[in-house]
Amino acid sequence: DTGVSQDPRHKITKRGQNVTFRCDPISEHNRLYWYRQTLGQGPEFLTYFQNEAQLEKSRLLSDRFSAERPKGSFSTLEIQRTEQGDSAMYLCASSRASLAKNIQYFGAGTRLSVL
Amino acid sequence: DAKTTQPNSMESNEEEPVHLPCNHSTISGTDYIHWYRQLPSQGPEYVIHGLTSNVNNRMASLAIAEDRKSSTLILHRATLRDAAVYYCTGGGMYSGGGADGLTFGKGTHLIIQP
Repeated sequence: DTGVSQDPRHKITKRGQNVTFRCDPISEHNRLYWYRQTLGQGPEFLTYFQNEAQLEKSRLLSDRFSAERPKGSFSTLEIQRTEQGDSAMYLCASSRASLAKNIQYFGAGTRLSVL
Repeated sequence: DAKTTQPNSMESNEEEPVHLPCNHSTISGTDYIHWYRQLPSQGPEYVIHGLTSNVNNRMASLAIAEDRKSSTLILHRATLRDAAVYYCTGGGMYSGGGADGLTFGKGTHLIIQP
């Protein structure tokens, strides 16, 4: 069990550029989540997948944000035309859904700085 | 989503018990109560969860009020490694298709004094 892996750990970009983050979940987990965390706040839920299906995306912050999980394994989160307000930590989590519990395991996150 | 309220910070001495309270008055009847903690520069880490009964595991105990409007995370003997931000969250129950993202508040910053 190597845990949830996120890449890159840090990303610095200029305003207006597109960025893409990758998340590799724990291998047997069928659910994958994306969160955003700003300084001093708890994580904010953005979207989640069960296998390759994106079951909730209404919480994505704007239409500049999109996520994919094409083969039900790794996932990518893309932000187009970045703005300074997008600077935050982007966290990925995975879980193996069952009737009794849905414990989520988080990666260390990708810290985005938009200049 | 269940809204949670926690104290901003708490302080305790090493090797003493710590009781971290959380109010979740809007939690639905089917939402589990989860506790996570976050160390600096790391993602949140699962601590414990429960529905109605008190729960124990190797990390902590969870005491849930009878009306489920509040809960308390108990660390029986705090160590310096327990210094972190502790979040209680509502939601996250497998509901066969509903949004299962966790709702986090600002959490409690736990400070452990040696």
